[in-house]
Amino acid sequence: TQLLEQSPQFLSIQEGENLTVYCNSSSVFSSLQWYRQEPGEGPVLLVTVVTGGEVKKLKRLTFQFGDARKDSSLHITAAQPGDTGLYLCAGPSFNAGNNRKLIWGLGTSLAVNP
Amino acid sequence: NAGVTQTPKFQVLKTGQSMTLQCAQDMNHNSMYWYRQDPGMGLRLIYYSASEGTTDKGEVPNGYNVSRLNKREFSLRLESAAPSQTSVYFCASSVRELVKDEKLFFGSGTQLSVL
Repeated sequence: TQLLEQSPQFLSIQEGENLTVYCNSSSVFSSLQWYRQEPGEGPVLLVTVVTGGEVKKLKRLTFQFGDARKDSSLHITAAQPGDTGLYLCAGPSFNAGNNRKLIWGLGTSLAVNP
Repeated sequence: NAGVTQTPKFQVLKTGQSMTLQCAQDMNHNSMYWYRQDPGMGLRLIYYSASEGTTDKGEVPNGYNVSRLNKREFSLRLESAAPSQTSVYFCASSVRELVKDEKLFFGSGTQLSVL
């Protein structure tokens, strides 16, 4: 069974601080996606990482895919209150019937205080 | 650009009542999905439709039915609501069935309470 474990579960920091959140698995994924979900809204895709060792940057957010494609991290530099939200990682699953679905982590809930 | 539109935004039901959650997308996507999101359980797939005319069960289909009315619309029906179905429901769509880097677009959700 493919699982994605995210840590930490909750994180509360002050504006301007740096932080890293993690998405780990014992299974290999062909790709991993990171979504951000704001209160009262649906998740919005931030990035997809596809190649082992890949690093992608989105303004102050840096995403890395592990060399073995079993884990990913999200680093935020100089966090802003607008970064507040639930960060979810997800990866495609391939079951015996070849029906492709997304495996979701439980998320990291980030609060950035002014 | 509307994207994925869900209605209603909030709903309160009594046990045993029925209701239909509506979802429509205007991006000409082939695949559509219904998820529920619960604290400590994350996002769980209820049903999905890989393309117009097809539907398939996800992880937690019991107590639900779906209809892919046309390419744009995908509805979720609770025939006899139970308190265990209290949740936030999300509809999502993608260009095609999920492959390596396919992107999901979500609606803003329906918060459902069953008393």
